[in-house]
Amino acid sequence: TQLLEQSPQFLSIQEGENLTVYCNSSSVFSSLQWYRQEPGEGPVLLVTVVTGGEVKKLKRLTFQFGDARKDSSLHITAAQPGDTGLYLCVIQAGTALIFGKGTTLSVSS
Amino acid sequence: NAGVTQTPKFQVLKTGQSMTLQCAQDMNHEYMSWYRQDPGMGLRLIHYSVGAGITDQGEVPNGYNVSRSTTEDFPLRLLSAAPSQTSVYFCASSFRQGWDSPLHFGNGTRLTVT
Repeated sequence: TQLLEQSPQFLSIQEGENLTVYCNSSSVFSSLQWYRQEPGEGPVLLVTVVTGGEVKKLKRLTFQFGDARKDSSLHITAAQPGDTGLYLCVIQAGTALIFGKGTTLSVSS
Repeated sequence: NAGVTQTPKFQVLKTGQSMTLQCAQDMNHEYMSWYRQDPGMGLRLIHYSVGAGITDQGEVPNGYNVSRSTTEDFPLRLLSAAPSQTSVYFCASSFRQGWDSPLHFGNGTRLTVT
């Protein structure tokens, strides 16, 4: 069974701080997605990364896919309260999607 | 656009009761699925469907039934509720099953079984 580990599990920061969350697997995967889930809502896709070493930017969010395609990171610059939520990484194993357990981010003003 | 609509938002059941969680999408998506989300466990797939008339089991199917009589609707039935089924349930759909077709989630149904 392919495991997907996310760290840290919880993160509580002040508005304006920078942060990085991580997603790691014991196996190589072909691509990875990041979703964000706000309280009381379903997850929403942020990005898909498919190439080793790939970097994608979405406003203040920077996503990186590791060269060995076994890890990924999400960096948020100058966090805002609107960034609060659960960040999930997802990989595909065969026809199934494997969700990490997520990083819960709380940004206070 | 409505997207994926789940009803009800909240439900309390007693052990042994049955109920149906409703899910409807208006995006003409072929693929629909049900997940449960539990603290510390992440999202786990219960059942999925790749088109009308076709359903299959996911990772945790026991205690749940599904059917897909139309493209739009994918109800989840709890046959005899148990406290272990207390969870938040999400329905998700995509144009097709595949990595290049992102999932669209509903806002969930929070179920408590006492």
